[in-house]
Amino acid sequence: DGGITQSPKYLFRKEGQNVTLSCEQNLNHDAMYWYRQDPGQGLRLIYYSQIVNDFQKGDIAEGYSVSREKKESFPLTVTSAQKNPTAFYLCASSITGQGAGDTQYFGPGTRLTVL
Amino acid sequence: DQQVKQNSPSLSVQEGRISILNCDYTNSMFDYFLWYKKYPAEGPTFLISISSIKDKNEDGRFTVFLNKSAKHLSLHIVPSQPGDSAVYFCAATYRNSGNTPLVFGKGTRLSVIA
Repeated sequence: DGGITQSPKYLFRKEGQNVTLSCEQNLNHDAMYWYRQDPGQGLRLIYYSQIVNDFQKGDIAEGYSVSREKKESFPLTVTSAQKNPTAFYLCASSITGQGAGDTQYFGPGTRLTVL
Repeated sequence: DQQVKQNSPSLSVQEGRISILNCDYTNSMFDYFLWYKKYPAEGPTFLISISSIKDKNEDGRFTVFLNKSAKHLSLHIVPSQPGDSAVYFCAATYRNSGNTPLVFGKGTRLSVIA
C-alpha cells in the first residue's frame, strides 16, 4: 500500500523537552511538507523540502527543526523553544515541489500534547 | 495578511440539497486551486482542483467554479449527503513558482443534516 505514515498518532511530552515526529512516504514523491493545525487557524506551513538534503522555512518555523536525509523520510523536531507546541501536526508530500499545480497528499496526523 | 480567505466558518445544509462553499483570494498570480476535505483527527484528503485556464471542473457530485476577475472560487456539492459533513479547505498556488507551496484558507465546517 502506497501512502504517507505518521507516528505516533498521539504524543505527550513534558514542557521543556524536545520531541520528534515521524513522517514516512513510499510514494516516491520528491517534496514533503509539515503543517500545524490549531482550532480556527486552518493549516499553517512549518517547513518544506523539495529535494533530499534541502529544506526551507515556512510561515511558522520558529521552535521547529527538520532534516531530509532520505527521500522517503522527513522528521520534525519540536524543540523546547516552541512556545505553544500543543497542536495537531500534519505531514504531506507531492510529486515535485516545483509549482505546476502539484497536489499534496496528507498523512493521518499526530496530536501532540505538552503537559 | 491572508491570501486565501474562507469567510464562512460554518455552513449547515439539508441532506439532498446543494452545498456551496466559497473561497476568495488576493494574489492575482495564483493559477491553480484545490479543495480538500478533512474529518476530525485525520489528514485532509484531496477532492478536486481547477486550473486558471478553466472556469469549471466537475467530478461526480463535486463541481468547482472559478471567477478570475472576482478572484473567487466555489465548491458545489450536489446532492449533499451526511457523509459530506467535514471541514473543507481551499488552497491555491501558482505554476512555475519553483518554490511556493500551497496556501490554505482557514476552512469551512459543513454540516449536512439528515
